Amino acid sequence: QSALTQPPSASGSPGQSVTISCTGTSSDVGGYNYVSWNQQHPGKAPKLIIYEVSKRPSGVPDRFSGSKSGNTASLTVSGLQAEDEADYYCSSYAGSNVVFGGGTKLTVL
Amino acid sequence: EVQLVESGGGLVQPGGSLRLSCAASGFTFSSYCMSWVRQTPGKGLEWVANIKQDGSEKYYMDSVKGRFTISRDNAKNSLYLQMNSLRAEDTAVYYCARGCRSFYWGQGTLVTVSS
Repeated sequence: QSALTQPPSASGSPGQSVTISCTGTSSDVGGYNYVSWNQQHPGKAPKLIIYEVSKRPSGVPDRFSGSKSGNTASLTVSGLQAEDEADYYCSSYAGSNVVFGGGTKLTVL
Repeated sequence: EVQLVESGGGLVQPGGSLRLSCAASGFTFSSYCMSWVRQTPGKGLEWVANIKQDGSEKYYMDSVKGRFTISRDNAKNSLYLQMNSLRAEDTAVYYCARGCRSFYWGQGTLVTVSS
């Protein structure tokens, strides 16, 4: 069982927006502004798409955005595109370690 | 461009040892905390260990304490993970990652512990 709770699946049609939640505790998500989101396509390594709750690495489209309220973080993908179909994992700094969510499979209908 | 290239994975018997290596390029290696993260189909992503920029601080997940050792050689831009007393549950893809709070990922190396 993962430390952070994510819905196992999410879906949306091209052009729509979808939001994925990530719920932790005051010892991780709620205690630090170090929530990250990682995208993973089948057979590939994860890719960082959001760090420090809402910052995007260079090259990541602004269709991806992150936020946090209390112990729950969220990833919103706007203007869904076919290539956004992937697994998404949240993670949070938790002191000296990092905890992960179980992943959400995003399907573009 | 940040590049992290892992090597050293393979098939090993329970109780055996492996040493993973990670060659870093495209950034100032000595300026970054570094981590190892593993992924299994059953347990998903698991943080394994991290090491501060100068190697002065190291942290491990509970299940590998005393068995795994993380180290780095800043002169060689390299990160290592020495894995001893391997168990079946250590079977996973092991990723080298830049950072200790968020991660830029390598491509991973598969470790299979089986008789």
